[in-house]
Amino acid sequence: QVQLQESGPGLVKPSETLSLTCTVSGDSIGSSSYYWGWIRQPPGKGLEWIGSIYRSGNTYYNPSLKNRVSISLDTSKNQFSLKVNSVTAADTALYYCARDTPAPRASGNSPYDYWGQGALVTVSS
Amino acid sequence: DIVMTQTPLSSPVTLGQPASISCRSSQSLVHNDGNTYLSWLQQRPGQPPRLLIYKVSNRFSGVPDRFSGSGAGTDFTLKISRVEAEDVGIYYCTQHTQFPHTFGQGTKLEIK
Repeated sequence: QVQLQESGPGLVKPSETLSLTCTVSGDSIGSSSYYWGWIRQPPGKGLEWIGSIYRSGNTYYNPSLKNRVSISLDTSKNQFSLKVNSVTAADTALYYCARDTPAPRASGNSPYDYWGQGALVTVSS
Repeated sequence: DIVMTQTPLSSPVTLGQPASISCRSSQSLVHNDGNTYLSWLQQRPGQPPRLLIYKVSNRFSGVPDRFSGSGAGTDFTLKISRVEAEDVGIYYCTQHTQFPHTFGQGTKLEIK
C-alpha cells in the first residue's frame, strides 16, 4: 500500500517562499514508473494541478504559476518537495501530493491513485 | 491548456436513483498513442480526492460497479446507477493526455 504524507509550515508571510515535502512509503520514487505531483485546492474551491516530477528529475509545471514553482526529489529519503516563491494570499490552499501520471502513459497503470491527506498553508502577515 | 467543463455544477439526487455528470474538454483527449487519458475523482467532505475511473471507463480497484464512465474525444460522462448516501461529495473530471494536467470545476452531488 502506497502512502504519502505532506509536511511543512502552515503559515507563510506574503512575498516569502512556501516549502512543502511529501514523504512516500510503499513505492520507491527513485525507481517508480510514475510521476509524482502536487495539486492544490483553495478553501471552498476546486483542484489545481501545480506540477510533477519523474525519477529522472524531469519536471512539468503549470504555466499559470508563472515560474514561481519548483519541484525536486530526494531519493535517499524517498521524498519530493515543492517550493512556491513570492507567495500572496491567493496561494492560500490545501496542498496535496499524489502519485501522478504513470510513465509511459500507455502502461495501463492508473493515475492519481494515491494521495496525501493534504497540508493547509495560509499566506498571511 | 486544455479546459475541462463539467455540467451540472450541482446535482440533487434521490437515494436509489441514477445520476449523471458530463465533462467536455476544449480539445480532443486522444493521445498520440491512441489512448484517452480522462479520469474521474470523487472528493468526499473533508477528504482528499479518490480515483474512481481512469482512461475513460476503467474502474479503479475497490470502486463499486454502480460507477461507470463513458465517452470519447471531447465528451465524457460519469454515471452512478443507484445513488447511495456515501456518494455525497464533489466529482471532478481530469485529463492527463497532455501537460499541464487540468481539472473540471467539480460537480457537487447531494441528496434531495
